Amino acid sequence: GQNIDQPTEMTATEGAIVQINCTYQTSGFNGLFWYQQHAGEAPTFLSYNVLDGLEEKGRFSSFLSRSKGYSYLLLKELQMKDSASYLCAVRDRGGATNKLIFGTGTLLAVQP
Amino acid sequence: GAVVSQHPSRVICKSGTSVKIECRSLDFQATTMFWYRQFPKQSLMLMATSNEGSKATYEQGVEKDKFLINHASLTLSTLTVTSAHPEDSSFYICSARDSGSPPGELFFGEGSRLTVL
Repeated sequence: GQNIDQPTEMTATEGAIVQINCTYQTSGFNGLFWYQQHAGEAPTFLSYNVLDGLEEKGRFSSFLSRSKGYSYLLLKELQMKDSASYLCAVRDRGGATNKLIFGTGTLLAVQP
Repeated sequence: GAVVSQHPSRVICKSGTSVKIECRSLDFQATTMFWYRQFPKQSLMLMATSNEGSKATYEQGVEKDKFLINHASLTLSTLTVTSAHPEDSSFYICSARDSGSPPGELFFGEGSRLTVL
């Protein structure tokens, strides 16, 4: 079966660093994605990991450990506009379409 | 990045009527598009995979006769919610993959919020 878990909610302070964890158990694996979604809007792409290790992109970094079925998204120098839901998604290798399966999402609230 | 456009962004309809939502890839061709549904404060649930020129592939538990998907061209997929009921009220989002973008990156439409009265 497919199972992707994230904390439901997190709170952090402006200027700080926050780490959002994601654990997954899927029938196949062909990459892990992080998306940001503001309320009422479509998700926007943040990062992609297919090999173990850390991928850095500006204030955002994403880490993957395939053997542990684990990833995290690290946000540095938090800004108020970073308040949003962060969605972890796994690309399922099964079938020809490589569909994305999304986790439950983590609602991050950044406080002054 | 690639652009995916959805229309309408908001629709209100009466119970029992049908609603069609369009998803277009504006600057690339998409042989595959994905339709997701999102209830308030929940994550995206994949409903079906839309394949150009062939039948859609539906996820377990999604009624294919209720949610009709047509992917007649490489730039357009449509989702029709037939005989809509209040429990179908949700945020419907389509996405597509551009073969020229980083592997697997999906581009999402703006979403369509359906309210069934």
